[in-house]
Amino acid sequence: DARVTQTPRHKVTEMGQEVTMRCQPILGHNTVFWYRQTMMQGLELLAYFRNRAPLDDSGMPKDRFSAEMPDATLATLKIQPSEPRDSAVYFCASGLFRDNWGETQYFGPGTRLLVL
Amino acid sequence: QKEVEQNSGPLSVPEGAIASLNCTYSDRVSQSFFWYRQYSGKSPELIMSIYSNGDKEDGRFTAQLNKASQYVSLLIRDSQPSDSATYLCAAPSRTSGTYKYIFGTGTRLKVLA
Repeated sequence: DARVTQTPRHKVTEMGQEVTMRCQPILGHNTVFWYRQTMMQGLELLAYFRNRAPLDDSGMPKDRFSAEMPDATLATLKIQPSEPRDSAVYFCASGLFRDNWGETQYFGPGTRLLVL
Repeated sequence: QKEVEQNSGPLSVPEGAIASLNCTYSDRVSQSFFWYRQYSGKSPELIMSIYSNGDKEDGRFTAQLNKASQYVSLLIRDSQPSDSATYLCAAPSRTSGTYKYIFGTGTRLKVLA
């Protein structure tokens, strides 16, 4: 049963601390997305990678957020320093891009982040 | 104007009725559209994808696409209480030659037993 995994599932931290979230995409998928979801803003795309190359990170606050894909089985999202307004659920999704029709995205369970 | 718009609801329908969820989009060149269902506290899961004008049926779900009017809808026949969830519409928006998926804010559906 292939699925996207994310760790940690929950994270409580204090303002100013570094937060690292990890994602393992479905084996064989070539696109990885990072989203943030809040009640106020809904689901926002932060960044995405195709074949491990970053394609778009315009949704991400550049001064504190960074996203990387060190290998095909691991994507990371870091926040340094964290702020209370970063509190949200962070989802990773993966998909298989074949052509210009786009890809179906399969979401991980999410990381619930609370910054105090 | 938001790129993908949905009525936030809640949309309440009685059990057994047809639930109709609508979504409009602004990028005329969008080719593919996706409906996701999200239960409270859970992650979004794919319900339907649609690429061509017209209807696409899958069980109790029917997606309808009208590119001329730039809207896509999801019909749920014989609605069940277990269908109560938030339904998200997603459409790719072309930016600098790459696709960027834009999600609507979702419509909350309540099916009343």
